[in-house]
Amino acid sequence: GQQVMQIPQYQHVQEGEDFTTYCNSSTTLSNIQWYKQRPGGHPVFLIQLVKSGEVKKQKRLTFQFGEAKKNSSLHITATQTTDVGTYFCAAQGSGSRLTFGEGTQLTVNP
Amino acid sequence: KAGVTQTPRYLIKTRGQQVTLSCSPISGHRSVSWYQQTPGQGLQFLFEYFSETQRNKGNFPGRFSGRQFSNSRSEMNVSTLELGDSALYLCASSFGGQSYNEQFFGPGTRLTVL
Repeated sequence: GQQVMQIPQYQHVQEGEDFTTYCNSSTTLSNIQWYKQRPGGHPVFLIQLVKSGEVKKQKRLTFQFGEAKKNSSLHITATQTTDVGTYFCAAQGSGSRLTFGEGTQLTVNP
Repeated sequence: KAGVTQTPRYLIKTRGQQVTLSCSPISGHRSVSWYQQTPGQGLQFLFEYFSETQRNKGNFPGRFSGRQFSNSRSEMNVSTLELGDSALYLCASSFGGQSYNEQFFGPGTRLTVL
């Protein structure tokens, strides 16, 4: 089945530093979604990317979908303690189910 | 609009028992997916139901089964529980359709197998 690799697995940053997590697939994706799970909580949808080369921004968060639609990234500028949590990408291949990456656990030191 | 609800929230069982978990999706959502979440394993897809039919299935043994009712509520059942089945079981609902839309997750059921 489809596999989605997400790196890094863990990231520790000082408040104010930037953070990036990457998601890679060996196959072309129909779309990719990003979720955030706070400690003790459940995943919450952040965004969906569909088009090749698409870039979307939400305040300090920037999401990119690769030109080949095989990779994606989430970048957070000037992290805050409220950004703490695990960020998951979820990818859908052609006609297949949604596959989640293993997540990147972000901790932010104040 | 009420969110996705899951019952029970916590469950303790012993090996060999069976368990049934319930998920009520957001009103109007016809797709319900189930995931198993364990530390270090991320979210593992179990199955997806759409309009009472299983549309997709993950790579879990036959001990894991599910169903969906006409009101879109879904249940999953795990028979002959094993220690390794201890996990957070999440369900997620969405409108459905050909492509996966935004998934709305419930709070999960924390299953502990002793």
